[in-house]
Amino acid sequence: AQKVTQAQTEISVVEKEDVTLDCVYETRDTTYYLFWYKQPPSGELVFLIRRNSFDEQNEISGRYSWNFQKSTSSFNFTITASQVVDSAVYFCALSEATGGGNKLTFGTGTQLKVEL
Amino acid sequence: KAGVTQTPRYLIKTRGQQVTLSCSPISGHRSVSWYQQTPGQGLQFLFEYFSETQRNKGNFPGRFSGRQFSNSRSEMNVSTLELGDSALYLCASSLAVIGTGELFFGEGSRLTVL
Repeated sequence: AQKVTQAQTEISVVEKEDVTLDCVYETRDTTYYLFWYKQPPSGELVFLIRRNSFDEQNEISGRYSWNFQKSTSSFNFTITASQVVDSAVYFCALSEATGGGNKLTFGTGTQLKVEL
Repeated sequence: KAGVTQTPRYLIKTRGQQVTLSCSPISGHRSVSWYQQTPGQGLQFLFEYFSETQRNKGNFPGRFSGRQFSNSRSEMNVSTLELGDSALYLCASSLAVIGTGELFFGEGSRLTVL
């Protein structure tokens, strides 16, 4: 069965520091999708990125970057020059192609606190 | 465009009662999924509907059920409520027909069972 582990429960940084959120996943499927979502205090989950298992190319989008490594089953997320507005809970998620559909398995989340 | 709308946002019920939650997806989205979020269990998948058919189901008891209407709006129902059903229930819609696409989440319905 699929599993997502986010070992960091809470991270506190000072504004402008870089921070990396770790994500390790387990799956038997050869085709799968990895996601990062952000959950601000308002509650709704906001999509940040999707990666499929055949695309290990790392991506940078503004202050965000993602490092996908199949060899270590990791999909880490880095925020460069963090800002107070980045404070939220960040979830890593996995979906297997088997069975189709949109069933996500989420990690337990990492609470990020960015302070002035 | 309008996002995913969930109603009601907050509700309080007592044990043994039942509850119905509603979700209106983004226009054009035919896939609607439901998730339960609790401090202890985190985010857990309940079920997904696509074109009025349940496409996937999570590991929840039969007290949890759902349906989708022809206009893609979805409802989920929990019967015989238990204290452990207190949670934030999140609905998500997606444009993806096959495979996994980006999910757009609503702000959730926060259920408290007393």
